[in-house]
Amino acid sequence: DTEVTQTPKHLVMGMTNKKSLKCEQHMGHRAMYWYKQKAKKPPELMFVYSYEKLSINESVPSRFSPECPNSSLLNLHLHALQPEDSALYLCASSQVFSRGDYEQYFGPGTRLTVT
Amino acid sequence: AQKVTQAQTEISVVEKEDVTLDCVYETRDTTYYLFWYKQPPSGELVFLIRRNSFDEQNEISGRYSWNFQKSTSSFNFTITASQVVDSAVYFCALSEANAGNNRKLIWGLGTSLAVNP
Repeated sequence: DTEVTQTPKHLVMGMTNKKSLKCEQHMGHRAMYWYKQKAKKPPELMFVYSYEKLSINESVPSRFSPECPNSSLLNLHLHALQPEDSALYLCASSQVFSRGDYEQYFGPGTRLTVT
Repeated sequence: AQKVTQAQTEISVVEKEDVTLDCVYETRDTTYYLFWYKQPPSGELVFLIRRNSFDEQNEISGRYSWNFQKSTSSFNFTITASQVVDSAVYFCALSEANAGNNRKLIWGLGTSLAVNP
């Protein structure tokens, strides 16, 4: 069983809706990540939180808003999305982000469809 | 520039065959880390292995083995006696130690493995 959980598993939303994706990890990790993955492509990094502070924003449109309420939780708030934002959204965590040598553990993902 | 190449887009084998997935990387750094992940149809990315640039020992874990060769910048993955449950997309990824704050994973495009009964 994964130790990174994500809710919901599936989400269908209209372009005017506001919704949130949630992620929780129970491994005591201090780095958490959001990725977007389109079909048949590798994951694309969106955001990295390190010690609950935003470390990396990969020039993601403002209609995606991340939040890290504490070291175990990561949210992604969605507003006014476009159909091309439909994808699998993956959350991951790793021990720290200070070096590149820690593997990331992924959650099962949220499959988002924007209509 | 950093780059990871998985030249095999799709591989199809019959159960019990051995199969090798290739991964070739490019990096300017002397200290770096290589990873393999498995993504079954369910979608979750599963971590398989991490290897650092100073450790060229091959690794074996059950039916899985990895061959790291710095001379050819390759980190290949072999599944022995493949099973239907091995059907998945496999990603190779690279991380550099001295990339500053831009220490993200560089992913290959993945190899889709189909193991047929």
